Amino acid sequence: AQKVTQAQTEISVVEKEDVTLDCVYETRDTTYYLFWYKQPPSGELVFLIRRNSFDEQNEISGRYSWNFQKSTSSFNFTITASQVVDSAVYFCALSEGMIYNQGGKLIFGQGTELSVKP
Amino acid sequence: GAGVSQSPRYKVAKRGQDVALRCDPISGHVSLFWYQQALGQGPEFLTYFQNEAQLDKSGLPSDRFFAERPEGSVSTLKIQRTQQEDSAVYLCASSPPNQPQHFGDGTRLSIL
Repeated sequence: AQKVTQAQTEISVVEKEDVTLDCVYETRDTTYYLFWYKQPPSGELVFLIRRNSFDEQNEISGRYSWNFQKSTSSFNFTITASQVVDSAVYFCALSEGMIYNQGGKLIFGQGTELSVKP
Repeated sequence: GAGVSQSPRYKVAKRGQDVALRCDPISGHVSLFWYQQALGQGPEFLTYFQNEAQLDKSGLPSDRFFAERPEGSVSTLKIQRTQQEDSAVYLCASSPPNQPQHFGDGTRLSIL
């Protein structure tokens, strides 16, 4: 069965601290995608990144970086030098199989609420 | 606008009433998804359309939930005989094939 676990329910940091959000997934498929979305208080889910199961290369985008490790079924997200505007709920998600045929429905974790204080 | 548009933004209904939630996807997006997000939880998949065809409705919690997309664009999620456990935020997302989903702001449904 497919499942995404975000063990950290809430994290609170002070501005400029680095913070890592953990994500562990379960799937029997060899072909899948992993995602991170940000949900600010306004409620809209904002896409941050998608990685496919064949690409374990880490990625950096500005202050954001992602570490994908198939050996531990983890896809962790690090924010460097956090800012107050980073405060939001962050969701990790999994999509299995051939995207086009199955639509690519997302299986979300429970989310991690990040609070960055000035 | 250029994003996914959902209406109404908020909906309050009495238990037993029927409700209809609307989703306007991004123009040209073939795929459309509905998700239900309970308070403090991650979104859960309800149903998926490819153009006007409903290809997956495995997440609909009961036969009181019905979704349609008759012309392959706007979609409506209907809930009949609402119950208190239907209270949640309903999110709509759209995407081109094999691309990440873009989400709307959601409709917050409260059943009294």
